[in-house]
Amino acid sequence: NAGVTQTPKFQVLKTGQSMTLQCAQDMNHEYMSWYRQDPGMGLRLIHYSVGAGITDQGEVPNGYNVSRSTTEDFPLRLLSAAPSQTSVYFCASSYPGSDEQYFGPGTRLTVT
Amino acid sequence: RKEVEQDPGPFNVPEGATVAFNCTYSNSASQSFFWYRQDCRKEPKLLMSVYSSGNEDGRFTAQLNRASQYISLLIRDSKLSDSATYLCAVDNDYKLSFGAGTTVTVRA
Repeated sequence: NAGVTQTPKFQVLKTGQSMTLQCAQDMNHEYMSWYRQDPGMGLRLIHYSVGAGITDQGEVPNGYNVSRSTTEDFPLRLLSAAPSQTSVYFCASSYPGSDEQYFGPGTRLTVT
Repeated sequence: RKEVEQDPGPFNVPEGATVAFNCTYSNSASQSFFWYRQDCRKEPKLLMSVYSSGNEDGRFTAQLNRASQYISLLIRDSKLSDSATYLCAVDNDYKLSFGAGTTVTVRA
C-alpha cells in the first residue's frame, strides 16, 4: 500500500492563480480531510468528507473547494490564490470509528 | 479562546530525563483524545490514543483529566530519538482539532 499520497510536494503560485492539490489513498478509507499547518497555529481543518459524494466545511474553508467523486481521491482546489494561503497542506484519511488518521507527506505552497 | 491549547515549549532535556507536558481543551463534550508526533517538516503520526483510565505505551504515559479538561503526556528515560513536536488532538464527530504543538529536544 502506498498509503496517502499528495502531489505536488512543492508549489509556488502567483496571487490570483488557481490550482488543485491532489490527494489519494489506497486503504479504502471513508473519511478524508484537508488541513493546513502554519507556524504557531497547529493544524487547522479546511474541509472534510465522510464518504464519496459527501463533503463539509471545517474551521478555515474560505478560498478552498473540494469534491469527492471516488473513495480514493479528495482534491483541494484553490480558487484564487492569496499570500495568506502560503502554508503546508496535509491530507489525511481514516476508517469510521478508527483512532488513527493517516497523513500524507504534505504539499508546501508559497503564494507570492 | 482556542479549542485546544498547548505549552509550545521548547523543552530541552538531557537523555534519560523525564519530561511531561499538558494540553487543555475547551469543549467539555469531547470524547476522543490523541497525541501525535511530528518530526521536522514531516507529516504527523499517531503516537497514542488517550483513554479515560490513562494508558501507557513503553516509556510514554498519557492521562486524561475530564474535570479540568486537559490531557497530559509523560516521556520517561528520554532518548535522542524522542526529539520532535508533540501535537495533541481532540476529536469532535470525526473532526480533529489540534493544538499548536509542544517541541521537545533531547540532548546527549
